[in-house]
Amino acid sequence: SQQGEEDPQALSIQEGENATMNCSYKTSINNLQWYRQNSGRGLVHLILIRSNEREKHSGRLRVTLDTSKKSSSLLITASRAADTASYFCATLSGGSYIPTFGRGTSLIVHP
Amino acid sequence: DAGVIQSPRHEVTEMGQEVTLRCKPISGHNSLFWYRQTMMRGLELLIYFNNNVPIDDSGMPEDRFSAKMPNASFSTLKIQPSEPRDSAVYFCASTPDSSIYGYTFGSGTRLTVV
Repeated sequence: SQQGEEDPQALSIQEGENATMNCSYKTSINNLQWYRQNSGRGLVHLILIRSNEREKHSGRLRVTLDTSKKSSSLLITASRAADTASYFCATLSGGSYIPTFGRGTSLIVHP
Repeated sequence: DAGVIQSPRHEVTEMGQEVTLRCKPISGHNSLFWYRQTMMRGLELLIYFNNNVPIDDSGMPEDRFSAKMPNASFSTLKIQPSEPRDSAVYFCASTPDSSIYGYTFGSGTRLTVV
């Protein structure tokens, strides 16, 4: 079964607006990762946040992790049309090296 | 580094035919994963190799699917005989042997079985 579940399933915004996507999971994790997938392409790793971290930044991306709520959020600030893609969270638990992916959030940024 | 390389990018085959998908992981990455992506099921792990050894193949749908990793720089996923329900995008991903790094995905092979 898939551990991470993204919310919302789809998000449509205007260029310049911020986009927030959420990921919930069920069991304790070692780390949580966010990926982007452009149409017809493979997944691209964006950010990894460890279970003892609460927030990480990378350019216009901000990821938060709340282990008490078993949830994470990905914020894309000042979105661009090029940010249009599907975004997935993946969790790693225990001693496993096998990431478990959610179903993804489809983001459309209108120019 | 050219990244994870998969071939072919597209494959159209008739039901019952054998299909072989290929993957070259990034040099130095000793963990390799095969995933299948469909609209219905999302991303499903098929098999995981570590140091060329299959560690977890519980996601392999049935005996029609087999995967090999004869050396650190090459892996194959074979479907024999293929069926229309095998139509999907198949991804290969690799990572160094640590959970602190992300996973690098190939561009995928889009398989259509008619």
